[in-house]
Amino acid sequence: KQEVTQIPAALSVPEGENLVLNCSFTDSAIYNLQWFRQDPGKGLTSLLLIQSSQREQTSGRLNASLDKSSGRSTLYIAASQPGDSATYLCAVRQTSGTYKYIFGTGTRLKVLA
Amino acid sequence: GAVVSQHPSWVICKSGTSVKIECRSLDFQATTMFWYRQFPKQSLMLMATSNEGSKATYEQGVEKDKFLINHASLTLSTLTVTSAHPEDSSFYICSAVTSDLYNEQFFGPGTRLTVL
Repeated sequence: KQEVTQIPAALSVPEGENLVLNCSFTDSAIYNLQWFRQDPGKGLTSLLLIQSSQREQTSGRLNASLDKSSGRSTLYIAASQPGDSATYLCAVRQTSGTYKYIFGTGTRLKVLA
Repeated sequence: GAVVSQHPSWVICKSGTSVKIECRSLDFQATTMFWYRQFPKQSLMLMATSNEGSKATYEQGVEKDKFLINHASLTLSTLTVTSAHPEDSSFYICSAVTSDLYNEQFFGPGTRLTVL
């Protein structure tokens, strides 16, 4: 059974810092991995989608990497801003013909001004 | 990006009543939609997979007679919480999967259900 864990569970950093959020999964047979952002009381916003054949994806100040064999993905946020404060979730989709995603436990990020 | 809407955004109801939540893909067709629930400060828990034109597939531990799902068209799925009780109070989020090569999943804004 696939299990997705995110470390740290919570993180508080001063504005301007570069930071790394970690996501690990127990079953490396994944189809893709997606990073999301969730603001309090809101739905999810997709940040980056990495296919199993890809190593990384970049969008603005965000960079996500994927090491499928070791069951790990990292989300790198450069020059953090207070507006980056949110919960970040990673989710993996299995290779079986289902589109089902298994979500990680989440990292609550707070960027201090 | 693709847009998914949910209606209502929040609802308060009395115990014992039924509540229907709609999930719509606004600018794409989705043969598959998902329903999740999220408790405060917790991650999303998948409840069921909604497939257009067929019965929903429920996750283990989810009561299919309590959480009725209907995927009547390629852009609409509904979740009906029947005979709601206070323990059903939660944040319900739907998602829809695009039919292109990447099958990306887009999420609705969520519905806050409070059962008194």
